[in-house]
Amino acid sequence: EAGVAQSPRYKIIEKRQSVAFWCNPISGHATLYWYQQILGQGPKLLIQFQNNGVVDDSQLPKDRFSAERLKGVDSTLKIQPAKLEDSAVYLCASGLSGDNTDTQYFGPGTRLTVL
Amino acid sequence: AQSVAQPEDQVNVAEGNPLTVKCTYSVSGNPYLFWYVQYPNRGLQFLLKYITGDNLVKGSYGFEAEFNKSQTSFHLKKPSALVSDSALYFCALVRDTGRRALTFGSGTRLQVQP
Repeated sequence: EAGVAQSPRYKIIEKRQSVAFWCNPISGHATLYWYQQILGQGPKLLIQFQNNGVVDDSQLPKDRFSAERLKGVDSTLKIQPAKLEDSAVYLCASGLSGDNTDTQYFGPGTRLTVL
Repeated sequence: AQSVAQPEDQVNVAEGNPLTVKCTYSVSGNPYLFWYVQYPNRGLQFLLKYITGDNLVKGSYGFEAEFNKSQTSFHLKKPSALVSDSALYFCALVRDTGRRALTFGSGTRLQVQP
């Protein structure tokens, strides 16, 4: 079974530029999550989708971050404009059902460096 | 609010010795607890989870964890460490109701010396 795919793996941009990350979850998984992992910390949720609807975006900085999952499969996370403090690894995860017992499976992440 | 604490930034153990990576949690309601491992430049890999039932949970690669409700702990253990176990380990929590996102600890780096 193929795992969660993410691209690009690495990205370096200047502050105030925009950037987009792509995620393709495990086939058949209804739930998709985006997490931000700052160096030395555990991942923190940015947004959760159930199929193509947003379930939780309470921690998403909506003035600069946006995400979509239009057809309920793959997803894109965008940052515009980027700030220095956005330097982090952006992890995508998917789960089969989305209930609270569900195991979340993570992709390899995109490491973003903002200069 | 819910939280996860991993009190040790790093754990050092000799190959062949038992290892323990500590995790304590705080939550209102019942917790579902998870352990993940992260190798360099890779995503988090699921090891095991506790939902209900037997307090001793067995997972991948010989790891196990013991849920202790009275001590609000979920320590990760392995009887005999391997050098290849060296990695970053994260404990995570979801409440049994409500928000489904994982709350992670800050991670513990395990270093197994040959």
